[in-house]
Amino acid sequence: GAGVSQSPRYKVAKRGQDVALRCDPISGHVSLFWYQQALGQGPEFLTYFQNEAQLDKSGLPSDRFFAERPEGSVSTLKIQRTQQEDSAVYLCASSRGTSGGYTYNEQFFGPGTRLTVL
Amino acid sequence: DAKTTQPNSMESNEEEPVHLPCNHSTISGTDYIHWYRQLPSQGPEYVIHGLTSNVNNRMASLAIAEDRKSSTLILHRATLRDAAVYYCILTNAGGTSYGKLTFGQGTILTVHP
Repeated sequence: GAGVSQSPRYKVAKRGQDVALRCDPISGHVSLFWYQQALGQGPEFLTYFQNEAQLDKSGLPSDRFFAERPEGSVSTLKIQRTQQEDSAVYLCASSRGTSGGYTYNEQFFGPGTRLTVL
Repeated sequence: DAKTTQPNSMESNEEEPVHLPCNHSTISGTDYIHWYRQLPSQGPEYVIHGLTSNVNNRMASLAIAEDRKSSTLILHRATLRDAAVYYCILTNAGGTSYGKLTFGQGTILTVHP
């Protein structure tokens, strides 16, 4: 079956450019997460969606970062006026969410988008 | 979220068992213990999780101490494909938790042929 897909896999941007990163979660998955992984570090949480609702955006590093999931499936992470410190791998993950009072915690990750800001 | 402590790195030989330790002395009663691994140039991959009892699946076993302050991920026969960074993560099952993962540095596992 299809897993989580992300596009593009690699993105090079000049400092100051805007970028948009796409995530296609597993069909039917309610929960969607974005993480940022700097070189040599573990992933860090950015934001969480339950269907189309963004319930937690506490990890977004600045107001230049914006995420949406308008129809509760595909999600886009947008970074405005990119800076060199934004260079990282951006990971998307989805999970089944909560059903019948049970939270399915297993997250399925995409391959990530490697963003390089020059 | 409660914090976990793992060794920075471990080494193993192919086809030998590997025991990856994790300390979580501040774990709460509603915290699940999760293990994920990340192979080079890939996204993290779920391995196993548990609450109180030991757990087995096709990938690994999870041994949880009786006081739950530590756990061990057991790979029964390491293969070269098991070389990865292994993350031990606690998630809270109570309240309004939705399963956000807080990754630490993890343990880099090297498997020698």
